[in-house]
Order: sequence, then C-alpha cells, then structure tokens
Amino acid sequence: QQQVKQSPQSLIVQKGGISIINCAYENTAFDYFPWYQQFPGKGPALLIAIRPDVSEKKEGRFTISFNKSAKQFSLHIMDSQPGDSATYFCAASISDYKLSFGAGTTVTVRA
Amino acid sequence: DTAVSQTPKYLVTQMGNDKSIKCEQNLGHDTMYWYKQDSKKFLKIMFSYNNKELIINETVPNRFSPKSPDKAHLNLHINSLELGDSAVYFCASSQDGLLPRYGYTFGSGTRLTVV
Repeated sequence: QQQVKQSPQSLIVQKGGISIINCAYENTAFDYFPWYQQFPGKGPALLIAIRPDVSEKKEGRFTISFNKSAKQFSLHIMDSQPGDSATYFCAASISDYKLSFGAGTTVTVRA
Repeated sequence: DTAVSQTPKYLVTQMGNDKSIKCEQNLGHDTMYWYKQDSKKFLKIMFSYNNKELIINETVPNRFSPKSPDKAHLNLHINSLELGDSAVYFCASSQDGLLPRYGYTFGSGTRLTVV
C-alpha cells in the first residue's frame, strides 16, 4: 500500500518553463518530506527536503510548497533546463525513520 | 572514492539459482538499507540495519536474507530466484540524526534479471 501518492506519472516541459509535481499523504505522523532526483542508471539523490512547520522552502530553482491541512506537498522546478530531465520522487517519513517513496514522475525538458 | 558501492552492477541468472549482491559504504554512516525498484520505477524498502542490527524487515519473501558483517557492509542473498525478482536493487546509507540535511546516499544499483 503506497503511503505517498504522486502525480503526474510523467510530464514534458519546454526549456525555461515550470515543472510542477504533486504529492499527497494520509499519515499525519509524517514529519519529514524530501524530494529525490534520479538520473538513468544512477541511484536517487536528495534534492530538497522540508519539515511540516514550514510552508515553503526554496533552493535555487527548486521550491517545495507544503500544505499541512490538505496533506499535500509539491515540487516546483523554475526555469526548467534540459539537465533537469530525470525522475523525481517525493517521500515521507516519521522522525527520520524509513522513507516511503511516491511512484515517481519522469520529467522531460525539451530544448 | 565511491560513497556507496554495490557489486555487481548487472546480474543475469536463471530461475532457481541463488545469488548475492554486496554493498559497502565508506561514509561512516550508522544505517544501511536495501530498496527494490521495479520496472515502473517504484522504490520499496526491503530491509534496514543500524549498526549491524536489523531494524526494518518489510514484507519480503524469506528467500531474501540480508547480512551485515559490520557497520560498513550490507549484503543481500537471494535463494531460489524467481522471474518476479527481476528489478534494480539499491543499497543506501544514512547518518543518524542527519537525515534531513543529507538524506540517504544511494548506490548506483544492481540490475537483476532472472531468465
């Protein structure tokens, strides 16, 4: 049973555009929400993470928006570049223990 | 200088065989994990060890047996391989208390194909 639901499964965006990936969860005990980026043939790597006491966190072109009441969080990739083409996973855990991953979103940035 | 290294990178084997995947981390992390990534890229945790002690054992067939000889190594042995075991297996590690800042460090994966 998937504890974190992620959408869309894939998206295509033009260079310079905004990519938006959404995740939803049910377990209100989750207190850590990271996003991972995975390139073909590689393992996932931490991109950015947020705690539920913060509504937004920005690192460079990547922003997490967090809505605690709706139990949703999203990743925005601003000014998308071809090098951002990858699979993105949202995840959640309780007290930094056992990450549960979403199903992944394959992002393709067209030049 | 690879932080989390897995061997082999590719493994092709016949049904019914027994195989092992090895993982080593040189980061000094306390916790290591095995994740399975299926053909749809879904990542599912299988096992986790903290300082050689098994702390997570998800619903995994008992044909899968992890072994952690020391804090830096976590191996995965699979008996009587089945077609459904075909997947990419990732080893990962993390440092207690530092997960929010550094997250998990994943290896590059072992692509297991059972024919």
